[in-house]
Amino acid sequence: SYELTQPPSVSVSPGQTARITCSGDALAKLYACWYQQKPGQAPVLVIYKDNERPSGIPERFSGSSSGTTVTLTISGVQAEDEADYYCQSADSSGTSVVFGGGTKLTVL
Amino acid sequence: QLQLQESGPGLVKPSETLSLTCTVSGGSIRSSSYNWGWIRQPPGKGLEWIGSIYYSGSASYNPSLRSRVTISVETSKNQFSLKLTSVTAADTAVYYCARDVGRRAIYDSSGAHFDYWGQGTLVTVSS
Repeated sequence: SYELTQPPSVSVSPGQTARITCSGDALAKLYACWYQQKPGQAPVLVIYKDNERPSGIPERFSGSSSGTTVTLTISGVQAEDEADYYCQSADSSGTSVVFGGGTKLTVL
Repeated sequence: QLQLQESGPGLVKPSETLSLTCTVSGGSIRSSSYNWGWIRQPPGKGLEWIGSIYYSGSASYNPSLRSRVTISVETSKNQFSLKLTSVTAADTAVYYCARDVGRRAIYDSSGAHFDYWGQGTLVTVSS
C-alpha cells in the first residue's frame, strides 16, 4: 500500500527553524497538507495545498514542495509549537486519503 | 463557528458493530462545497482515514476497511454516522469526525484535507 514517510522526530531550540519532511512518489503530482496535534487534542490543519495557510495559523508556519517531497517549515520556533505533525495527501491513484506516520517536534 | 461532536458507546465487544454519530452545528451538512469524514487514531499511534461522505450519500472508503465500514448521512438531523462491523482489539482508537474539503469529487481524494475536527471519542474493543 502507498505510504507517506516522515522522520519520527525533529528537535530544535527556541527561535530556530524546524523543517519536517514528508516523502511519497505521488507528491510530485498531488497536493499535501499538514496537521499539528498536541497531546489529548484533535489535529489542527496548519498548511493545505502544499503551501496555503488557513486563517488563524501564525505566519511562522509555511509549506513547500519539491519533487516527491513536501516540507513543513516553522520559523522562529516557540515552546508552544512542540507537538506531533502529520502530513496528508492521497494515494497514487488519487482515490484514498493517506496520512504520514507523524513527526514529534521537540523544542529543546 | 462550525462545530462537530462525536457520540456513541465507548466500549464495544469483540465481533460486534461499532456505531458512532457526528453532529454538525454552526453550518449545514447539505453544503455542496463540503464532504464529511471519519478518521481514527489508535492509542499512541498515527492517524488513519476511514472514509468520507457527501450529503447526497455517496461515500468513499479506505480500501483496508472497506469490507467492514459503512458511512451514512442524515441531513434532516445534520448528522453523519459510522458503522464498523466485526471489531477486534485492533479497532480500539480515538475516532474523529471532520469536515473534508478540497476534493473535486467524493471518489477523488486529491486535494482533500480536513479543516474542522470534532474533539474525538475513545472507543475500546474489549469483552
